[in-house]
Amino acid sequence: EDKVVQSPLSLVVHEGDTVTLNCSYEVTNFRSLLWYKQEKKAPTFLFMLTSSGIEKKSGRLSSILDKKELFSILNITATQTGDSAVYLCAPNGGTSYGKLTFGQGTILTVHP
Amino acid sequence: NAGVTQTPKFRVLKTGQSMTLLCAQDMNHEYMYWYRQDPGMGLRLIHYSVGEGTTAKGEVPDGYNVSRLKKQNFLLGLESAAPSQTSVYFCASRPGGTPGELFFGEGSRLTVL
Repeated sequence: EDKVVQSPLSLVVHEGDTVTLNCSYEVTNFRSLLWYKQEKKAPTFLFMLTSSGIEKKSGRLSSILDKKELFSILNITATQTGDSAVYLCAPNGGTSYGKLTFGQGTILTVHP
Repeated sequence: NAGVTQTPKFRVLKTGQSMTLLCAQDMNHEYMYWYRQDPGMGLRLIHYSVGEGTTAKGEVPDGYNVSRLKKQNFLLGLESAAPSQTSVYFCASRPGGTPGELFFGEGSRLTVL
């Protein structure tokens, strides 16, 4: 059975801190891994990762995939209060083609 | 550009009532998904479809039915609503083949009394 585990489940930091969010997975026929940020409404897309060891970067956010050890990390440097959100990962693959299952998410709270 | 549109956005039901949530996308996407999200939790997959006329069960399909009669529409039905189905429902779609980004609707908040 496919598994996705995100850690930590919640995290409280102060502005300026750096955080690392983890996503481990066990998914057959792995194709890609997606990261999303969710504030009040629908999730917004951050990254799609398909290759190991290649960092994707967008401003203060970056992410990398390790297909050998089956995990991905999302880093946020110099955090701001606007980074407060739920961060979700979703490995794309699995025994049922097209199925896309999300992890339970990491709730990040950034205090001023 | 409409993208993914969900209707209704809010609904209150009594236990035992039935209703249908409609998801419409205008991007000619092959794949469509219904998720539910409860407070403090991630998105849980209810049902999904990899093309017109096809549907498949996700993680939490019990109590829900779906139909994909037209490529652009994916309907989620509750035949006999229960308080445990109080949740926010998100529809999403993506192109077939390429394992890429999901495009989400804005969500539908359903309360079952």
